[in-house]
Amino acid sequence: AQSVTQLGSHVSVSEGALVLLRCNYSSSVPPYLFWYVQYPNQGLQLLLKYTTGATLVKGINGFEAEFKKSETSFHLTKPSAHMSDAAEYFCAVWYRDDKIIFGKGTRLHILP
Amino acid sequence: DTAVSQTPKYLVTQMGNDKSIKCEQNLGHDTMYWYKQDSKKFLKIMFSYNNKELIINETVPNRFSPKSPDKAHLNLHINSLELGDSAVYFCASSLTSQGPEAFFGQGTRLTVV
Repeated sequence: AQSVTQLGSHVSVSEGALVLLRCNYSSSVPPYLFWYVQYPNQGLQLLLKYTTGATLVKGINGFEAEFKKSETSFHLTKPSAHMSDAAEYFCAVWYRDDKIIFGKGTRLHILP
Repeated sequence: DTAVSQTPKYLVTQMGNDKSIKCEQNLGHDTMYWYKQDSKKFLKIMFSYNNKELIINETVPNRFSPKSPDKAHLNLHINSLELGDSAVYFCASSLTSQGPEAFFGQGTRLTVV
């Protein structure tokens, strides 16, 4: 079955440190890939997406992600964490069947 | 001018009641969705409508019935509410021609007591 896996339900980083949130998908056909962020008591907001073309995708708030077909991964990074980055992050995939599948989410904690 | 708006934002009700959640989008999108987010933040699609036509109907109890009167609205009616229905329900929309990138509403927190 098609799936998306986020490694680590909780990730803690110090303010100013590198943020790395991991996402892997299961498919031989590259899907469309997304990262969404959810702040407390809010809906989901799109951070960035990969459809085709350049494998390094830049998003809002300084985040970027790189699509690696050989590793079936789409990890999210940010060079320097800010307190305002504390939120829940969801990786999502779309396999062209009209259904977006979300990962289970990773809660990012920023330590002062 | 909210893009995807849901009402109500909070809903507390007793077991056995029937309730509805309304959703409207002003983005001109042709596809709308209902998602359920449980207490562990797991997000799962329930329904998808494209141009008022049901496209996706996941394994959801038939107590849940979506209704799309037009492309801009997708309401969710729930009969005979159960404790396990407590969750946050998100409405979302997308434009098919631009892919599945979905815009989400703020969510409706349903608590069944």
